[in-house]
Amino acid sequence: KNQVEQSPQSLIILEGKNCTLQCNYTVSPFSNLRWYKQDTGRGPVSLTIMTFSENTKSNGRYTATLDADTKQSSLHITASQLSDSASYICVVSSYSGGYQKVTFGTGTKLQVIP
Amino acid sequence: DGGITQSPKYLFRKEGQNVTLSCEQNLNHDAMYWYRQDPGQGLRLIYYSQIVNDFQKGDIAEGYSVSREKKESFPLTVTSAQKNPTAFYLCASTGGRDNQPQHFGDGTRLSIL
Repeated sequence: KNQVEQSPQSLIILEGKNCTLQCNYTVSPFSNLRWYKQDTGRGPVSLTIMTFSENTKSNGRYTATLDADTKQSSLHITASQLSDSASYICVVSSYSGGYQKVTFGTGTKLQVIP
Repeated sequence: DGGITQSPKYLFRKEGQNVTLSCEQNLNHDAMYWYRQDPGQGLRLIYYSQIVNDFQKGDIAEGYSVSREKKESFPLTVTSAQKNPTAFYLCASTGGRDNQPQHFGDGTRLSIL
């Protein structure tokens, strides 16, 4: 069964600090991995997308890494800001039988405090 | 600006009542999706449509129905058969052929009265 597990479930950090969120998956065959940011009461917004051959992708202060061998990804946030407070969702896609199957993680809830 | 508009933002359902959630997009995307989000769970696919007048059941379609009469619109009806409808409902679309949602609306929160 395809699964995506994220850790920690929640995290509180001080403004200006860095943090790293983890994503482990058992999705097979692997197609790509996305990280989304979801503000409270809003829809998810895509931050990065990585395919099998990519091991790092940046979007401003967000840097995602992918280790396809260990089936792990991380999202590193540099110099956090109050606006980074949100849930971060890891999403892994597999391609089989001509169809993409998308599996969502449960998310990490990040709170940045002044 | 192009995007996905979901309405209403909040919706209340009485027992035995059907309610319809609206989803409109002006991105000219062929594929549209409906997801349900519950606390502590990942998004789960209810229905998806890859083209007008065609739609497919997702993982949790029971108690829901959809239509796709226009490319821009993909309404979701939560029927009285859905016994636990309280959730956050998200509509999404994609213009790619990879069947992955790219853009999401801002959701409708449905509660039972």
